[in-house]
Amino acid sequence: DTAVSQTPKYLVTQMGNDKSIKCEQNLGHDTMYWYKQDSKKFLKIMFSYNNKELIINETVPNRFSPKSPDKAHLNLHINSLELGDSAVYFCASSQEVPLRGYGYTFGSGTRLTVV
Amino acid sequence: GQSLEQPSEVTAVEGAIVQINCTYQTSGFYGLSWYQQHDGGAPTFLSYNALDGLEETGRFSSFLSRSDSYGYLLLQELQMKDSASYFCAVRDKGGGGYQKVTFGTGTKLQVIP
Repeated sequence: DTAVSQTPKYLVTQMGNDKSIKCEQNLGHDTMYWYKQDSKKFLKIMFSYNNKELIINETVPNRFSPKSPDKAHLNLHINSLELGDSAVYFCASSQEVPLRGYGYTFGSGTRLTVV
Repeated sequence: GQSLEQPSEVTAVEGAIVQINCTYQTSGFYGLSWYQQHDGGAPTFLSYNALDGLEETGRFSSFLSRSDSYGYLLLQELQMKDSASYFCAVRDKGGGGYQKVTFGTGTKLQVIP
């Protein structure tokens, strides 16, 4: 199936641990993103990569490090997890279609709970 | 920076029509899009407006007025399955020459029988 897939779907971990979330898209899109959605459902962009190049890096703590080995993959590594990192993390991809705009395709999300 | 405003909650009756408004402030505006998100699910793309006017896709329509920095999503013949959160999102000029999409805070639509 064509999609954006991210793993794991759920992640429960203790404070101070290091964890990774993986994302893959087989839509042939050039651009991939990481968004964080908090408990109030606010969707905030964290990072964006275009063809493996980092193009957007919002004010995210250095503990968060994205990696894009190729344009179909964008992973997120988080060091020294804190309680405030608990949220749902969404991976997304997009491709602009001239005159028709674009739309993001989101993965199903990773619900991270730090205890 | 960017800011978007949309109502936090809307309730409407099954079969009726509902309009969800979105006002925005930004520079280097390119377009306004709408997403639907059911509880526990991922946002799904509904529509994108780059030019003024109304875009229709089945029961959903989206409108944009660039001069008023305003748009809305219109849902017709409401069904119970339309109960979800709806986000407007502005696409504008981000840093480094790349475009960026910023999401509003979302409107929770409850459809009642």
